[in-house]
Amino acid sequence: AQSVTQLDSQVPVFEEAPVELRCNYSSSVSVYLFWYVQYPNQGLQLLLKYLSGSTLVKGINGFEAEFNKSQTSFHLRKPSVHISDTAEYFCAVSLTGANNLFFGTGTRLTVIP
Amino acid sequence: NAGVTQTPKFQVLKTGQSMTLQCAQDMNHNSMYWYRQDPGMGLRLIYYSASEGTTDKGEVPNGYNVSRLNKREFSLRLESAAPSQTSVYFCASGHNNYGYTFGSGTRLTVV
Repeated sequence: AQSVTQLDSQVPVFEEAPVELRCNYSSSVSVYLFWYVQYPNQGLQLLLKYLSGSTLVKGINGFEAEFNKSQTSFHLRKPSVHISDTAEYFCAVSLTGANNLFFGTGTRLTVIP
Repeated sequence: NAGVTQTPKFQVLKTGQSMTLQCAQDMNHNSMYWYRQDPGMGLRLIYYSASEGTTDKGEVPNGYNVSRLNKREFSLRLESAAPSQTSVYFCASGHNNYGYTFGSGTRLTVV
């Protein structure tokens, strides 16, 4: 069975500093990987996804993530955060051909002015 | 704007009451999903519907029923609400290959 681990439940970071939100998954088969963002009192919005091909994936709002198969990781990065990036971020995984996403428990990113 | 619409946005129920959460999408997606979100637990799948006329249990289906009324609509019903069902409920549509579109959620409190 697959699972997703987001080790950091909260990440505070100063404005304009870089940030990395960590995600590790466990699966014995090929997977699709996703990052979603949830702003306060809103639904989830897709940031980026990895299906195949280049392991470096670029998404919206200047975020990117790198798929590392050997370390079963899909960490999310941004070189310089803004106040507006304050939100909760969820990593998710699905099996290729499956019809469900498994979500991590989320990381709350707080950008400090 | 295209998307997923959920109603109601807020609801308070007494233990034992029933209610139906409504969801509609206008993106012509075959698949639709119901998740619940609880603090520290992320999102957990309650039920999904891969196509019109089919529904399947997810990770936490107990206490819920669903109906895929047509391609657009997928409702979630609580027959006898319990305090453990206090949560935020999200409907979504889409496919794993392309990502899901989520509704804005229903915040349900059972007292």
